[in-house]
Parts: sequence; structure tokens; C-alpha cells
Amino acid sequence: IVMTQTPLSLAVTPGEPASISCRASQSLFDSEDGETYVDWYLQKPGQAPKLLIYTLSYRASGVPARFRGSGSGTVFTLKISRVESEDVGVYYCMQRIEFPYTFGQGTRLEIK
Amino acid sequence: EVQLVQSGAVLKKPGESLKISCEGSGYTFAHYWIGWVRQMPGKGLEWIGVIFPGDSDTRYNPSFKGQVTISADKSINTAYLQWRTLKASDTAIYFCARRPATAEGSFNYFDPWGQGTPVTVSS
Repeated sequence: IVMTQTPLSLAVTPGEPASISCRASQSLFDSEDGETYVDWYLQKPGQAPKLLIYTLSYRASGVPARFRGSGSGTVFTLKISRVESEDVGVYYCMQRIEFPYTFGQGTRLEIK
Repeated sequence: EVQLVQSGAVLKKPGESLKISCEGSGYTFAHYWIGWVRQMPGKGLEWIGVIFPGDSDTRYNPSFKGQVTISADKSINTAYLQWRTLKASDTAIYFCARRPATAEGSFNYFDPWGQGTPVTVSS
């Protein structure tokens, strides 16, 4: 499954919203359990990826409410309601409905 | 606290062998999958494979099969990623990550991750 993210980079003013899109080459919806298996990660410079959103829209423990995952089928979005300076890094979507799991190319978020 | 601690950075020559490790703590190691991810310099993330330490069930990304070996020793809570013959193109940071093995697929996400092991292969 190919995961395609857009844009590949974006620069956002603190306090403004940001949106990252991810498209899968096939549906990530599992009709057996009704779940959609896309996760979002943030990799800050020099660090390991950190889970933000799992199974389409569930925020991981400790993740601020300004992060929101949405979408369906093959099209997904990560939205940050008000960007803060600590949000800089590379964001990845990842599918885990089918092995091998695959990541998007990554979207680099910078602060203006 | 659940933690994955990886072995340190290594510098190897082409043709040499290597085994890096990922030690889990704060949970029952045998009951969770461990996955391995490659990040080549300046590039994105790629899944190499996963292993279930409880029974050593292992699955490889076809792109990596035959190039690396994934193993685990549940008696010492450690998973391994191994190369027989390193190439310069194996230069990358390698991450391990933990995944539950529940019947509830929605909770089978990868978290936490190890800190990464930088591997440099150069003559």
C-alpha cells in the first residue's frame, strides 16, 4: 500500500492552523471491525518518531487536544488547530491494515 | 515505565557482520510484537519486519527479506536485528518499536519506540 502525503513541507505562523493530507492507494477501512488503520507520527529533529494519532482519530496518551485526525477510506487528514513552536518536525502517516506496513514520505513543519 | 533501549552507534566496514539490540523493560516482553524500522540519511521511514518474542513468529517486508535477520531472546527481554554481510547502503538509523498483540486491532499501534541505533558502513 502506497501512502502519499501533501504537502511535503509547510511553514506556519504560531497560533495559526495547519493541515496535512495523506492518501492511501487502497482503503484502510477494515469492514470486520469497522476501524480504519491509519496512524500519525511526529519525528522531531534527532529523535525517534512519536505516536500522535492511532486508528484514524484516537489521540495517543499525552498528545494535546490541538491535534486531530480524520478521514475515511483512502483519504486522511491531520489537523493542528493552533500551531506551537514545539510542533516543528516531520509528520508521517502510516497504514497498518496490511503488512508490510508503510509510511508516507513525511511532511516537514516549520515555524514562520 | 515502558521503555525500549537500543544498543549504541556502530561503525563497520563493508563485508562485516553486525547484530544490534533492543531491550524492553516495564512490561511482559514476550506478549508484545517488536518491529524494526530503517531510516536512511535524510530519508523517511521503512518497515523492515516484526517479531513476536513469545513464539518467535517473524514477518519480513519483502524488500528486506534475505538481507537481514530478526530474532529475539525473551529470557533477557531483547530483540535483535542482524546482518551477515554489511554494505554501504545499510548506513542508516534503525529503530525498534513495540506493538500489542490484542484482539482489538484499534489498539495494535507501535508505541513506544527505541531511541534508534545509528549504523555507519564505510571503508
